[in-house]
Amino acid sequence: AQTVTQSQPEMSVQEAETVTLSCTYDTSESNYYLFWYKQPPSRQMILVIRQEAYKQQNATENRFSVNFQKAAKSFSLKISDSQLGDTAMYFCAFMLAPHNNNDMRFGAGTRLTVKP
Amino acid sequence: DGGITQSPKYLFRKEGQNVTLSCEQNLNHDAMYWYRQDPGQGLRLIYYSQIVNDFQKGDIAEGYSVSREKKESFPLTVTSAQKNPTAFYLCASSIDRETGNTGELFFGEGSRLTVL
Repeated sequence: AQTVTQSQPEMSVQEAETVTLSCTYDTSESNYYLFWYKQPPSRQMILVIRQEAYKQQNATENRFSVNFQKAAKSFSLKISDSQLGDTAMYFCAFMLAPHNNNDMRFGAGTRLTVKP
Repeated sequence: DGGITQSPKYLFRKEGQNVTLSCEQNLNHDAMYWYRQDPGQGLRLIYYSQIVNDFQKGDIAEGYSVSREKKESFPLTVTSAQKNPTAFYLCASSIDRETGNTGELFFGEGSRLTVL
């Protein structure tokens, strides 16, 4: 079974600085997808960024980027120029390909606080 | 605006009582899901439904029941058989695989159930 591990339960960062959230996963498969979801306080969880395992290039969405290391089974999220609105729980998730959302596996989450 | 609506946001229940959580979506998504979120454990799948009048158990279905009579609605009943029902419950939906599913889940704002 696939597992996702987020080893940092809580992190904090000063506004405008850069922070990296860690995620590792365990699978014997070669074709899969990885996701970072953001859950702000009292608001809906939303997708931040998505990576397809067969793509070597790291995904980027504005201030959010990932460092995908397939051999090491690592998928970290970097947030640049942190903003107060980035304060949230962040969940790393894994899903085998082809898409089958009922098999999506989530990590335990990292609570990120951006300090003014 | 399209989205997923969960109600109630907060619910208190006495031991031995069943309670039903509502989930409605107007995204025209075929698939819907119920997750349970506990601190330090991430999201765990309770039930999912890929089509009207059909649903499947997830990883932690014991003590829960669902129905899918309409495409837009996927209510979850927490029964008295659920031993530890106090938790945060999230409903989600996704586009059907055949019509372009990118793996993204769309979430409601959640319902927090407390058993007194």
